[in-house]
Amino acid sequence: AQSVTQLGSHVSVSEGALVLLRCNYSSSVPPYLFWYVQYPNQGLQLLLKYTSAATLVKGINGFEAEFKKSETSFHLTKPSAHMSDAAEYFCAVSGKNNDMRFGAGTRLTVKP
Amino acid sequence: GAGVSQSPSNKVTEKGKDVELRCDPISGHTALYWYRQSLGQGLEFLIYFQGNSAPDKSGLPSDRFSAERTGGSVSTLTIQRTQQEDSAVYLCASSWGLAYNEQFFGPGTRLTVL
Repeated sequence: AQSVTQLGSHVSVSEGALVLLRCNYSSSVPPYLFWYVQYPNQGLQLLLKYTSAATLVKGINGFEAEFKKSETSFHLTKPSAHMSDAAEYFCAVSGKNNDMRFGAGTRLTVKP
Repeated sequence: GAGVSQSPSNKVTEKGKDVELRCDPISGHTALYWYRQSLGQGLEFLIYFQGNSAPDKSGLPSDRFSAERTGGSVSTLTIQRTQQEDSAVYLCASSWGLAYNEQFFGPGTRLTVL
């Protein structure tokens, strides 16, 4: 079965600084990887996904993630944080059986 | 509607009572998932339905939890003899059913067990 580990339950950055949220996966088959975001008092929505077409994936709101097979990682980055990026971010992995598993989440705080 | 809907949005119950939570997926979506989100916790997988296949129940925390999906559409999650530790937000999601398809989430049901 596949799983993901998100390093850091809380990340705090200053506005304008680089955002880096870490995700490592474990999968016995080539994985499909996802990042979801949950803004305060809102439902989860997809930020981006990796489906083997390209290792660097661009998503909404300026976020991107790079699939690195050698490191079993799929870290999420954004060059310059905005106050509106404050949210909970979840990494997820899906195997061939479509059984998606989510990480514990990382809460991003953006300081003015 | 266009999205996944869940009802009720909030449910307060007394310890020991049974509760039923409903999920109405996006029309045409073959896969349906239930998750539990507790305060400060991630998304805990509960159960997964795919078409007419037997559901993946591997995430259900105890035999007090059960779920069914009637006619390949609406799903009901039932919790019997509720306990205080069952208090959480229960999320439902649906997708087209392939591993690379994104899941669309409902707004959740906030369950409080007194």
